[in-house]
Amino acid sequence: DIQMTQSPSSLSASVGDRVVITCRASQTIGTYLNWYQHKPGKVPSLLIYGASTLQTDVPSTFSGAGSGTHFTLTITSLQPEDFATYYCQQSYTTPFTFGPGTKVDIK
Amino acid sequence: QVQLVQSGAEVKKPGASVKVSCKASGYTFTSYGISWVRQAPGQGLEWMGWISAYNGNTNYAQKLQGRVTMTTDTSTSTAYMELRSLRSDDTAVYYCAREGGVGAAESFDYWGQGTLVTVSS
Repeated sequence: DIQMTQSPSSLSASVGDRVVITCRASQTIGTYLNWYQHKPGKVPSLLIYGASTLQTDVPSTFSGAGSGTHFTLTITSLQPEDFATYYCQQSYTTPFTFGPGTKVDIK
Repeated sequence: QVQLVQSGAEVKKPGASVKVSCKASGYTFTSYGISWVRQAPGQGLEWMGWISAYNGNTNYAQKLQGRVTMTTDTSTSTAYMELRSLRSDDTAVYYCAREGGVGAAESFDYWGQGTLVTVSS
């Protein structure tokens, strides 16, 4: 199975901050890397697919980059509604493994 | 609009089975696959498996092989996930999610609202 790791596991940030979350795969996955946002009590939502393509209606403050084994999710200006847990997920091959998540909370 | 509506919360005893439904609307059901994902309390997201709504082909996570069965009913655009021999560590919120297809890097673009399954004696 492909193992996904994320760093940091959690971070505290302020509104307006730039935030970068890193995701690494244990083997190359091309650009089959997706990012999800999950708020407590809510349904996970797709932010970015194919490593860098923004899902419809996702604000342009979110961006994704990377290929192979190293990927990043960047939030250029953190908004109050962005405090959540973010998961990366590889869809290169089954099992479609998720990273352990990065919790972004308010400083 | 695309919607996935899941069945309600369940409480089961250890050793029992549970079957969760996921009714799709707003798109051609047989054109997309459905994955099932669960989240245990305080834990992350875990992919359980996938079913093609086109031909019923399945692919299950190895740790659940032999205990999980995913099916679809194309006449009602509904996907089902049955988990047998339940244990306390199967307590989780179970989600169905539509796979967006090759053009969306097989990502999960729409999710059901989640079904809480509690396993307790």
